[in-house]
Amino acid sequence: QKEVEQNSGPLSVPEGAIASLNCTYSDRGSQSFFWYRQYSGKSPELIMFIYSNGDKEDGRFTAQLNKASQYVSLLIRDSQPSDSATYLCAVNKSGGYNKLIFGAGTRLAVHP
Amino acid sequence: GAVVSQHPSWVICKSGTSVKIECRSLDFQATTMFWYRQFPKQSLMLMATSNEGSKATYEQGVEKDKFLINHASLTLSTLTVTSAHPEDSSFYICSASPGSGQPQHFGDGTRLSIL
Repeated sequence: QKEVEQNSGPLSVPEGAIASLNCTYSDRGSQSFFWYRQYSGKSPELIMFIYSNGDKEDGRFTAQLNKASQYVSLLIRDSQPSDSATYLCAVNKSGGYNKLIFGAGTRLAVHP
Repeated sequence: GAVVSQHPSWVICKSGTSVKIECRSLDFQATTMFWYRQFPKQSLMLMATSNEGSKATYEQGVEKDKFLINHASLTLSTLTVTSAHPEDSSFYICSASPGSGQPQHFGDGTRLSIL
């Protein structure tokens, strides 16, 4: 089992729709969860982070965390073509390490 | 805030050359910096974790003598690819974190091409 799993996609949604990106993780001790966006040929860019169970909203983005189910998701409302990118889920490694475990990413395609 | 600067953006050089890449946190002190490598259409691969003033911790399979990391201050880490060969051609990305559990902020990456 991979430490952080994401559906590779592509996830195709029409412009204006809600895109839902999902991620599961295996380390029950993880406490910090991050979503990064990576455009083709560019480095990752931090979109959201969440530490507590529940929802966290920032503009069109909502991160959801359920530690009991070891599940974290990212919702993008009113999706735009400029949101088309690969979205990386990252989870901190427990045990005093200050490093992140990244999923392989979900490719999102928003079509007009 | 949380800006990480990485230089150079592009390097093209001959096989056997050593290449140094710099990573600076511009507006925060980074207790830890990370170096990643990414091949086309693949996910990020962590190469090493660098803590200021101590030796870097390399991931399994990464040659420490090949990829030299120096983290001399809380705002600067360098990666030197020694005697680079065409198989070392890749996209190298650094990141920096202000502290444990806090987000990593990425530099723009360095595209390395070895001829």
